[in-house]
Amino acid sequence: KAGVTQTPRYLIKTRGQQVTLSCSPISGHRSVSWYQQTPGQGLQFLFEYFSETQRNKGNFPGRFSGRQFSNSRSEMNVSTLELGDSALYLCASSLTGGLGYTFGSGTRLTVV
Amino acid sequence: AQRVTQPEKLLSVFKGAPVELKCNYSYSGSPELFWYVQYSRQRLQLLLRHISRESIKGFTADLNKGETSFHLKKPFAQEEDSAMYYCALSGGSNYKLTFGKGTLLTVNP
Repeated sequence: KAGVTQTPRYLIKTRGQQVTLSCSPISGHRSVSWYQQTPGQGLQFLFEYFSETQRNKGNFPGRFSGRQFSNSRSEMNVSTLELGDSALYLCASSLTGGLGYTFGSGTRLTVV
Repeated sequence: AQRVTQPEKLLSVFKGAPVELKCNYSYSGSPELFWYVQYSRQRLQLLLRHISRESIKGFTADLNKGETSFHLKKPFAQEEDSAMYYCALSGGSNYKLTFGKGTLLTVNP
């Protein structure tokens, strides 16, 4: 079965712009999570969605938002980009949440 | 609060030697613990989870609630085990994984 698909793979944006990242979970998986990975902070939880509802949110500013559609696909949006938002953004899916997540390859965002 | 500590950033062993990657956690409830591995230029993938009590690729990990540890062990390391290893904790129904900073394992020939 197809894995977790994230698009685009790479993005370069300018400070102040906004960006939308997309994630298609494994078929049948209804839980989608997002993580930010940086060399300094490691992997940090952004938020988790299940059946279009956000069940948990990490300690990120309100500029970071997400949503999940009825087909379980998810998007995350970052507005007013800052240089510090440069990171690898990972999406992970699970049947219901917990018991292990399957990760995508990530979207590498560079803010210049 | 959930916290995961992997005390070693780097670990280097020779092929055939035993390897142990340390993981300590802090969580007030009953955690679910996982080991994830990331091979060079590949995506992060689940190696094993404590609830399954399984052995994957010769690796095992035992949850020690008294010492709040979940160390990953393999009796005889192989060169293909060289990778970044992350310990992660999920706190029941909060649906989030808290990761350690990772340990880069290098197995030398």
